Amino acid sequence: GQQLNQSPQSMFIQEGEDVSMNCTSSSIFNTWLWYKQDPGEGPVLLIALYKAGELTSNGRLTAQFGITRKDSFLNISASIPSDVGIYFCAGLRSGGTSYGKLTFGQGTILTVHP
Amino acid sequence: EPEVTQTPSHQVTQMGQEVILRCVPISNHLYFYWYRQILGQKVEFLVSFYNNEISEKSEIFDDQFSVERPDGSNFTLKIRSTKLEDSAMYFCAIQTDTQYFGPGTRLTVL
Repeated sequence: GQQLNQSPQSMFIQEGEDVSMNCTSSSIFNTWLWYKQDPGEGPVLLIALYKAGELTSNGRLTAQFGITRKDSFLNISASIPSDVGIYFCAGLRSGGTSYGKLTFGQGTILTVHP
Repeated sequence: EPEVTQTPSHQVTQMGQEVILRCVPISNHLYFYWYRQILGQKVEFLVSFYNNEISEKSEIFDDQFSVERPDGSNFTLKIRSTKLEDSAMYFCAIQTDTQYFGPGTRLTVL
């Protein structure tokens, strides 16, 4: 089956530091999504990527869709305490859209120390 | 971002009992999903539902599971005879420009 390998599994950083996490796969995904999940809540969409090579920003967040379509990364600049949570990548086989089954990575647990 | 609500927020049930999880209110959407997340693990796809029919389901979605849109607004997931390993968070998602997730129902099977 399709698997997404997300790393790192967890990160402990100081407020103000930059953060980088990534997802890789042995299969091609044609759409990549990044979600954040707070404890006891549902995933909230951060960034959607629809084209290979695409680089998209959302405030302090930047994500890229790898050129091979087998990877994606998410960067958070100048982290703040409210960035704490679990970050998930998710891939879709269908391209240019977000319709269909999402395959999720295992998540990156982010802890930010003030 | 469209609002997705789910009820109940927490359901405790005995093994072997039937449970119905609801995604409400839903209107003017054609494409829905159910996902689950076992505690501490990743989110897993269960089923997608388009135009009142199942369009895709995972191997997790066996005969014990069913989905319905009984009255054109609610979207339900039924587990006919719950097992201990069904304990998880269950998320409904709706499709607009992308998939938006509800807050989830925590199911605990004792």
